[in-house]
Amino acid sequence: DTAVSQTPKYLVTQMGNDKSIKCEQNLGHDTMYWYKQDSKKFLKIMFSYNNKELIINETVPNRFSPKSPDKAHLNLHINSLELGDSAVYFCASSQWGRYNEQFFGPGTRLTVL
Amino acid sequence: AQTVTQSQPEMSVQEAETVTLSCTYDTSESDYYLFWYKQPPSRQMILVIRQEAYKQQNATENRFSVNFQKAAKSFSLKISDSQLGDAAMYFCAYRTQNTGNQFYFGTGTSLTVIP
Repeated sequence: DTAVSQTPKYLVTQMGNDKSIKCEQNLGHDTMYWYKQDSKKFLKIMFSYNNKELIINETVPNRFSPKSPDKAHLNLHINSLELGDSAVYFCASSQWGRYNEQFFGPGTRLTVL
Repeated sequence: AQTVTQSQPEMSVQEAETVTLSCTYDTSESDYYLFWYKQPPSRQMILVIRQEAYKQQNATENRFSVNFQKAAKSFSLKISDSQLGDAAMYFCAYRTQNTGNQFYFGTGTSLTVIP
């Protein structure tokens, strides 16, 4: 009965590779997000989708490309991985409107060697 | 853009004692939402408590309560009867009604509970 799931939970890869992180929510929410948490625990919004449409696209290298095939899924693809991409990536979802908190996935720890 | 400031990078509290974590924010909006999230070592983000800006009454959830001062743009979290399981990183978050219902997070406060 997992609300927001991410795969994989851990990802170790070499510089220059391309990788994807998948996110799925079974809460019926219409808005999904990607955050990056760096080594100092700072949470930075990367993208947000509402009903499969991109509504927030913060200053993120264009090597990062989100894809939302439907309202329940928001995947993150990263091209040409760099050392600085090492971080924990969180997917979250919420229902558009008042008073609604975000529900977070368990995070994906990405390590680029 | 809204900013959220947590001025205490680290705090500690004795088990069973009370601790208050500070949070201030900057906004020109009149209607918004505030949250406290907890991130234990497992790294799962867990909602602790939330507050609607138009409600004057401070939110309470068991041992957790907030002191919401709208004019001062302050939203502190009080943890009473601290338990070992409260040890975690705590994030204050502001949710705007505009710009895609975006959330803005503070930099976090690491809470240590001393047995």
